[in-house]
Amino acid sequence: NAGVTQTPKFRVLKTGQSMTLLCAQDMNHEYMYWYRQDPGMGLRLIHYSVGEGTTAKGEVPDGYNVSRLKKQNFLLGLESAAPSQTSVYFCASSYKGFVEQFFGPGTRLTVL
Amino acid sequence: GDSVTQMEGPVTLSEEAFLTINCTYTATGYPSLFWYVQYPGEGLQLLLKATKADDKGSNKGFEATYRKETTSFHLEKGSVQVSDSAVYFCALRNPNTGNQFYFGTGTSLTVIP
Repeated sequence: NAGVTQTPKFRVLKTGQSMTLLCAQDMNHEYMYWYRQDPGMGLRLIHYSVGEGTTAKGEVPDGYNVSRLKKQNFLLGLESAAPSQTSVYFCASSYKGFVEQFFGPGTRLTVL
Repeated sequence: GDSVTQMEGPVTLSEEAFLTINCTYTATGYPSLFWYVQYPGEGLQLLLKATKADDKGSNKGFEATYRKETTSFHLEKGSVQVSDSAVYFCALRNPNTGNQFYFGTGTSLTVIP
C-alpha cells in the first residue's frame, strides 16, 4: 500500500517549457487535490477533483491545468512555465470532500 | 476570508523541553481545526484534530484545545524528542465556505539532544 505517490520528485524547467506532474493514489479515494507550498505562504489549493472526469478550481488555478481520466490518477500540467511557478507541489487525496487528506511527498519544481 | 496564523519559526529546543506552537484563526461559524506534521522529505500527515469548541485533540503526546473565545488552537507537548523535529502546520476547514482547507505557513521545529 503505497498511499499517495508523486512523479517526479525534482524538476528544473526553463521559462516557457511545459511539463506534467503525476499523482497516483491506491486508496480508492474519490477526491484528489493539488497544492503549492511557497515560503511564508503555507499551502494553497490549485485545483481539485471530486471524482473521475471532474475537476474544479481552487485558490490559485491560473497557469495550471488538470485532468482526472482515471480515479487513481490526478495530473497537473503547466503549459508554459514561469519563474513564479517555482514551488513545491503537493498532491493529496481523501475518501470524501475535504475530510482528512493524505499527502504525497511533494515535487520540487524550479523554473529558470 | 478564512485564514490561519502561526507563530514564525524556526524553533529550536533541547530534548525533553516543553513545546508550544501558537495558532490562531479567522473564520465565520464553526470550523474544524487541524495540526499536520511534515517530516523531512515526506508529505504532510495529520497529527490531530478538533471539530468543535472546547474539544481537545491529542496524538503521540501532542495536544491542542479548540478555544473559540480566543480563536486559538495552540499545539503543546510536554517533553519533545529528537524524532519530533519536523515542520508543523495548523489548518482549518470551514463548512460555511465550501469545506476547503486553509493552512498556516508552517513552523519548523528542531530538537537537539
